[in-house]
Amino acid sequence: GNSVTQMEGPVTLSEEAFLTINCTYTATGYPSLFWYVQYPGEGLQLLLKATKADDKGSNKGFEATYRKETTSFHLEKGSVQVSDSAVYFCALSTNAGKSTFGDGTTLTVKP
Amino acid sequence: EAQVTQNPRYLITVTGKKLTVTCSQNMNHEYMSWYRQDPGLGLRQIYYSMNVEVTDKGDVPEGYKVSRKEKRNFPLILESPSPNQTSLYFCASSLTSGSTGELFFGEGSRLTVL
Repeated sequence: GNSVTQMEGPVTLSEEAFLTINCTYTATGYPSLFWYVQYPGEGLQLLLKATKADDKGSNKGFEATYRKETTSFHLEKGSVQVSDSAVYFCALSTNAGKSTFGDGTTLTVKP
Repeated sequence: EAQVTQNPRYLITVTGKKLTVTCSQNMNHEYMSWYRQDPGLGLRQIYYSMNVEVTDKGDVPEGYKVSRKEKRNFPLILESPSPNQTSLYFCASSLTSGSTGELFFGEGSRLTVL
């Protein structure tokens, strides 16, 4: 079956530090890849997505590139802010309607 | 406002007492899905629906039922809840059932089974 493996957390950074959260996947066919963010007490919301190999998704200073050769979709941001503190989920989706999520990585940014 | 609405948001119940968690979306989305979120396990898909009257099992369907009689509603039914179903539940919808659509999530329903 499909699977998503995320970098273990929690991650604690100082404001303006560089962020990388690793994500690798296993899937049959050609899935779409997503990063979702969950702020405390809320549901998940889409951060960015990529639907085919070599696509780069970007939003709010975050970006991730769909790498088919390494089956990866690592999330990066050049300079994090306190407001970026949240739980980040890597996910994949297939045409069969199934979606698979990673375990989530908790990011805390300190001033 | 476009949204996915779940009810109840919080519920404490006892083993064996049937309950239903409702989910409704106002975006005319084809696809709807239920997930449970547990510490250290991320989100796991329970059931999904590609369209009205079409439902299928996700990764953890045991102990749950769903129905999709109308496009906007996708209730999750626990016929005989057990303590291992204590969890945070999320409903989500997407415009299409293809792989490229983003999921829109409800705010979650925290269920405790004693």
